[in-house]
Amino acid sequence: AQSVSQHNHHVILSEAASLELGCNYSYGGTVNLFWYVQYPGQHLQLLLKYFSGDPLVKGIKGFEAEFIKSKFSFNLRKPSVQWSDTAEYFCAVKNSGGSNYKLTFGKGTLLTVNP
Amino acid sequence: DTAVSQTPKYLVTQMGNDKSIKCEQNLGHDTMYWYKQDSKKFLKIMFSYNNKELIINETVPNRFSPKSPDKAHLNLHINSLELGDSAVYFCASSQSNGNEQFFGPGTRLTVL
Repeated sequence: AQSVSQHNHHVILSEAASLELGCNYSYGGTVNLFWYVQYPGQHLQLLLKYFSGDPLVKGIKGFEAEFIKSKFSFNLRKPSVQWSDTAEYFCAVKNSGGSNYKLTFGKGTLLTVNP
Repeated sequence: DTAVSQTPKYLVTQMGNDKSIKCEQNLGHDTMYWYKQDSKKFLKIMFSYNNKELIINETVPNRFSPKSPDKAHLNLHINSLELGDSAVYFCASSQSNGNEQFFGPGTRLTVL
């Protein structure tokens, strides 16, 4: 069974600081990887996704993530955070093959950005 | 122009009651999902339907019964509500390949 680990439960940064949120997954096959963001009181929105190709993926709002297959990692980065980035961030993985529709989420990382 | 909508947004009810949450998507997707997000923000899939057929049924009490009258709708009915059912329930939809799921705004269920 696949699983996702997000090591940071709560990250607190000041505006303009750089961000890296860790995500590791366990699954033996080929995967699709996602980062979702949930702003306070809102639904989940897709930040970025990796299916194949360039392991460095760029998403919305200046976020990017790098897939490192050897480390089973898909860390999320942003060079300079803003107060409006305060949100819960979820990493998710899906088996890319067959008819497996199941998206497995990590437990989320709460990012608080202080102005 | 809401892509995935859910009703109601908030639901407060007593233990033992039966309640339903409705979900509709206008994206033309074939697959729909129900997720439960607990108080610690942990998201876990409950069910998934593809073309009105159940394809994912995680370990969920049989008090929870999803119903998909057509591809655009996936409703969740919960019988005999318990305190532990309090959570935010998210509906989502995707194309048949399961990639890129679009989420609804959530329904916050509080069982007293």
